[in-house]
Amino acid sequence: NAGVTQTPKFRILKIGQSMTLQCTQDMNHNYMYWYRQDPGMGLKLIYYSVGAGITDKGEVPNGYNVSRSTTEDFPLRLELAAPSQTSVYFCASSGLPGRRPDTQYFGPGTRLTVL
Amino acid sequence: AQTVTQSQPEMSVQEAETVTLSCTYDTSESDYYLFWYKQPPSRQMILVIRQEAYKQQNATENRFSVNFQKAAKSFSLKISDSQLGDAAMYFCAYRTLDDKIIFGKGTRLHILP
Repeated sequence: NAGVTQTPKFRILKIGQSMTLQCTQDMNHNYMYWYRQDPGMGLKLIYYSVGAGITDKGEVPNGYNVSRSTTEDFPLRLELAAPSQTSVYFCASSGLPGRRPDTQYFGPGTRLTVL
Repeated sequence: AQTVTQSQPEMSVQEAETVTLSCTYDTSESDYYLFWYKQPPSRQMILVIRQEAYKQQNATENRFSVNFQKAAKSFSLKISDSQLGDAAMYFCAYRTLDDKIIFGKGTRLHILP
């Protein structure tokens, strides 16, 4: 049981480039989340999903897109990367089928730098 | 909208002593979850303890316990017998009715040997 896995661990992008951050969970959780953590700050919710095919915006969605075609995967797409997107990105999952989510389980994070 | 406030950006405690981290929140909901997460230098987010608002009994996990004051909207974390491995950022978090988690800005805890 790997829990929540994220790839890549580190990435450097040039301004204007695009990339996809991958997130996979093997706990059969319905809910999945993407957060960003800027230096010295807490986590801010970018997007979340309550199940396959359903996504919704969080607090800071601009510049990002998500999709949820399967229960396991929840990729985060950055289009036209900007320096303001330099951050550490965390994926999390929660909630077994038929139950409301409580505890979120986090992946190890992806450190992204946009130059 | 719900908010979570951690008023102590940094704290220090001597090894083996007890320390309390403060958290207050604002909500109009009556049923919710509260959490404390630990983030060591590895950046991994680790659940320390959780509290369900409808339970009056304070949650406890080994050396970690909370003081949950629902009327005051206060949720402090007490760490007893502090150990060097407790050094980390600690985040207080609130789960909203639509199942999102709101995090405070964190408290950096230093353990002095």
